[in-house]
Amino acid sequence: DIQMTQSPSSLSASVGDRVTITCRASQSIGSYLNWYQQKPGKAPQLLIYAASSLHSGVPSRFSGSGSGTDFTLTINSLQPEDFAAYYCQQSYNIPRTFGQGTKLEIK
Amino acid sequence: EVQLVESGGGLVKPGGSLRLSCAASGFSFNNAWMNWVRQAPGKGLEWVGRIKSKTDGGTTDYATPVKGRFSISRDDSKNTLYLQMNSLKSEDTALYYCTTGGKEWGQGTLVTVSP
Repeated sequence: DIQMTQSPSSLSASVGDRVTITCRASQSIGSYLNWYQQKPGKAPQLLIYAASSLHSGVPSRFSGSGSGTDFTLTINSLQPEDFAAYYCQQSYNIPRTFGQGTKLEIK
Repeated sequence: EVQLVESGGGLVKPGGSLRLSCAASGFSFNNAWMNWVRQAPGKGLEWVGRIKSKTDGGTTDYATPVKGRFSISRDDSKNTLYLQMNSLKSEDTALYYCTTGGKEWGQGTLVTVSP
């Protein structure tokens, strides 16, 4: 199975900050990488697919980059509604493994 | 509007069985590859398995922890996805979501495995 490792596990930031979350795959996955946001008590929502493509309706302050084994999710100018958990997931092969998550908290 | 509505969760004893359902609407369910993802209380997301569309073979794949115990099926005439869970263990306690390839998600149904 491909292992997905996110860092950091938690992050404190302020409204208006720029934050970066990284995701590393245990083997090359090309650009088969998705990012999700999950708010407490809610289902995950797709933010980014194919490593860098913004899902419909997602604000442009979210962006993704990377290929192979190293990926990043960047949020520019954090908004109050962005404080949530973020997960990466590889869609390169089965099983579709997730990273352990990054909890973004208000400083 | 796409809707996925899970049902069938509940409290079950270790070793027991449960069948979850996911009713789909608002999209072409028969052409969709469908997935189950679970989340243990306070933990991260874990992919459980998927079923391809019948036109793509209708085959299933599973995560290692559930292989041989869980079975995914679909009834395209009812636009419904199923997850049959047998030989349940305490570590199967989780909120179970159905999802298309990650774009649409249901609200989840809670399964608790406890004596």
